[in-house]
Amino acid sequence: GAVVSQHPSRVICKSGTSVKIECRSLDFQATTMFWYRQFPKKSLMLMATSNEGSKATYEQGVEKDKFLINHASLTLSTLTVTSAHPEDSSFYICSALPGAYNEQFFGPGTRLTVL
Amino acid sequence: AQSVTQPDIHITVSEGASLELRCNYSYGATPYLFWYVQSPGQGLQLLLKYFSGDTLVQGIKGFEAEFKRSQSSFNLRKPSVHWSDAAEYFCAVGGGATNKLIFGTGTLLAVQP
Repeated sequence: GAVVSQHPSRVICKSGTSVKIECRSLDFQATTMFWYRQFPKKSLMLMATSNEGSKATYEQGVEKDKFLINHASLTLSTLTVTSAHPEDSSFYICSALPGAYNEQFFGPGTRLTVL
Repeated sequence: AQSVTQPDIHITVSEGASLELRCNYSYGATPYLFWYVQSPGQGLQLLLKYFSGDTLVQGIKGFEAEFKRSQSSFNLRKPSVHWSDAAEYFCAVGGGATNKLIFGTGTLLAVQP
């Protein structure tokens, strides 16, 4: 149980385009989902906290207009990288938190490459 | 400030040798502590976690960790390392109302034959 999927696993796009990444909790309802960014050989940096039905809470320094997060249902959160640029290339990982639980379950990650 | 420190960026051990990965944290409240492992290009797999109770925690793949409040540490151990244990290991601390996790910078483990 407690499986989280991400789609796509890998995406290559041109500079200036937008890319949407989906995060789904497959066998549980997630009241909260988190989005992380991981640079090569670096740790995970929390970008934002997403709560179902409300606006995401962004960490300091994360541009909310560039990284649009939508948590429309208890099993789906999406991250849209708008007007992507090469510096947005990274590994993006989501996690989901079941209600009344203290452990996040992580997705397998999405590798974004912006040319 | 809340933080997690993993002092060892890179560790190499021989297969069959014992392993200890260090983790120190700074957290204002009672922490929830986690160890994750990540293989290249993959997501995170939870090895073990500590919420409360017995300070020696057993995890998957033969790993264990000990919570030492007086030292603000949560070191990961394994008595005999296998070649398949080569990966990046992350310590994380969380808890509180937001359930946010703060990750350490990771320790890259290499296993020599």
